Amino acid sequence: DIQMTQSPSSLSASVGDRVTITCQASQDISNYLNWYQQKPGKAPKLLIYDASNLETGVPSRFSGSGSGTNFTFSISSLQPEDIATYYCQQYHNLPWLFTFGPGTKVDIK
Amino acid sequence: EVQLVESGGGLVQPGRSLRLSCAASGFTFDEYAMHWVRQAPGKGLQWVSGISWNSGITEYTDSVKGRFTISRDNAKKSLFLQMNSLRADDTALYYCAKILSPSGAFDVWGQGTMVTVSS
Repeated sequence: DIQMTQSPSSLSASVGDRVTITCQASQDISNYLNWYQQKPGKAPKLLIYDASNLETGVPSRFSGSGSGTNFTFSISSLQPEDIATYYCQQYHNLPWLFTFGPGTKVDIK
Repeated sequence: EVQLVESGGGLVQPGRSLRLSCAASGFTFDEYAMHWVRQAPGKGLQWVSGISWNSGITEYTDSVKGRFTISRDNAKKSLFLQMNSLRADDTALYYCAKILSPSGAFDVWGQGTMVTVSS
């Protein structure tokens, strides 16, 4: 099975700071990597799909990059409403295999 | 508005069964594979099961194989998860989710239905 790791597990940053989260897969997953935001008590929200594609309606301060085993998610200028836990997720189509990373909790310093 | 609404969760004793439902609206339900994803209290996300648009393909995470059955009724725009032989470690918030085809991203999520397995 493919294992996903994320770092850091949590971070604290100031409003306006650039925030970067990394996600590493235990084997090559090409660009089959998605990023989600989950606020407390809410369902996850898709932000980035296939490593670097911004989901419709998602602010452009969110971005993703990477391929193979190493991926990066960034918030260019942290806003108060970005306080959430962020998950990466890899996928394999048919047979389906979806694995989420452990999450990165982001809060305001 | 694209929407998924889950129901059917509750408190159940170990070994018993529960059937979850998910009602879809706002999109062409029978064009998309649908999935269940769960989240144990205070924990991360775990994919549980998925079903293709025509029910021809169903798949499960290893820990629920042989106990859970996913199904759908395209005429009623509904997704189901029959959960048998429930265990304490099945306790979680269960989300239904739509796939952003052809990507493996979950682009629409319900609000979740809580399943608690406890004696």
